[in-house]
Amino acid sequence: AQSVAQPEDQVNVAEGNPLTVKCTYSVSGNPYLFWYVQYPNRGLQFLLKYITGDNLVKGSYGFEAEFNKSQTSFHLKKPSALVSDSALYFCAVRDLLSGGSYIPTFGRGTSLIVHP
Amino acid sequence: GAGVSQSPSNKVTEKGKDVELRCDPISGHTALYWYRQSLGQGLEFLIYFQGNSAPDKSGLPSDRFSAERTGGSVSTLTIQRTQQEDSAVYLCASSSDSNAGANVLTFGAGSRLTVL
Repeated sequence: AQSVAQPEDQVNVAEGNPLTVKCTYSVSGNPYLFWYVQYPNRGLQFLLKYITGDNLVKGSYGFEAEFNKSQTSFHLKKPSALVSDSALYFCAVRDLLSGGSYIPTFGRGTSLIVHP
Repeated sequence: GAGVSQSPSNKVTEKGKDVELRCDPISGHTALYWYRQSLGQGLEFLIYFQGNSAPDKSGLPSDRFSAERTGGSVSTLTIQRTQQEDSAVYLCASSSDSNAGANVLTFGAGSRLTVL
C-alpha cells in the first residue's frame, strides 16, 4: 500500500513568516499527491495536487508545494502566513485498493497554528 | 446540490444501539467515499462506491459496519451494536468518476458520533 507521513503533529509560526508543513511519501511507481485543509468543524477542502509536470505546484489561498523525487517529499509552503491559515492540514497519496479502485490515503494531519 | 450534505451533524447514542448516518453527494458525482476521523488518527478509509459497481468494503473495521448507496446517489452508513471505540467523526466525500485516482474529493462537514 502507498502511504504518506507527516512527521509533525503541530507547527507554530508567527504571522507574516514563511510556513512549511512537511510530508513524505512511500509509493511504488509515480505518486499522485494531494494537500487538503480542514478548518474547525468543517470538512476537508482541496488545496493542490501533483500528478505530473512541474515540481512546484501552486494551489488555493497562496499555498504551494514542491514535489521532490529524490527526497520523496511533498512539503506544503506559503511565503507569508496569516492567522486565518490556522487549521489542520492533511497530505494524501493515491492508493490502490485490493478491488482495483483508486482512493486517496491520508496522513495523520498537522495542526498549523499561526500566532498574531 | 451545491455541496456534500451529511446528517445528522451530531449523534449521541448508547452503547449497543444501531445508528444510521446519511450522505447526499454532489449531483452528478459518481464516486462516493466514507472515511472515519478519530482524534490523533487521521482519516481512515471505510468504503468506496463507484457508479453502479459493487462497493469496495475493504476498509470497514468489522461486520457491524455496512453501507449502501441507493440509485447511485444518497448513501447510508449503518453501524450496528455501537461500541465506544466507534466514537469518531464520519466524513463522506464525492467526486466525479475515479479518473485513476487523480480526482479531487469534495467533503461534507461530517457526522460526529459519540457512543456513551
